[in-house]
Amino acid sequence: QSALTQPASVSGSPGQSITISCTGTGSDVGGYNYVSWYQQHPGKAPKLMIYHVSSRPSGVSNRFSASKSGNTASLTISGLQAEDEADYYCCSYTSSRTWVFGGGTKLTVL
Amino acid sequence: QITLKESGPTLVKPTQTLTLTCTFSGFSLSTSGVGVGWIRQPPGKALEWLALIYWNDDKRYNPSLKSRLTITKDTSKNQVVLTMTNMDPVDTATYYCAHVPGGFDYWGQGTLVTVSS
Repeated sequence: QSALTQPASVSGSPGQSITISCTGTGSDVGGYNYVSWYQQHPGKAPKLMIYHVSSRPSGVSNRFSASKSGNTASLTISGLQAEDEADYYCCSYTSSRTWVFGGGTKLTVL
Repeated sequence: QITLKESGPTLVKPTQTLTLTCTFSGFSLSTSGVGVGWIRQPPGKALEWLALIYWNDDKRYNPSLKSRLTITKDTSKNQVVLTMTNMDPVDTATYYCAHVPGGFDYWGQGTLVTVSS
């Protein structure tokens, strides 16, 4: 299975909004509503930010939102803060009954 | 409170078999819908899903690594064990275990495994 496609990097200024895309196929992102997003700070374990395409776990800021259209899922962070600077990964269930991650996106807050 | 912790060797030699144990608390692997997965991350690289085992002993493996992986559970000990055979230097990574469902919602701290002679 091939990794989902994410931009290598995105950046934004404090207060702005950014969107990270995650492109797969009809056999993963497009075929199931089991897309999740993870935030990872250097040296730390990943943290679940979004599950089931657009649901936020308890405790995750509502500045984080997500959606899906066709084979592409998107994570939007509004009101960027310095603490949002991290790597972000998407993940999807697949038709092979397995899971696949994206290549990761480094978010820089300018 | 759900917690998970990985344990195992920090250094293995090429061709050896790696055995990692995930010891968890705060949930039971006999509860319907619950699973534990393994994910790894080579230094400076992306996350890679390896395997997952569900409460009903349903096991899933990364197709690229399936021939080398075995995942098992011991419900009474609250443990999940991952074995990976024929280790190679490219398998050097931090290995994480994580709780399912609804995405990987709780993660262990990870354990760095280095493959070197």
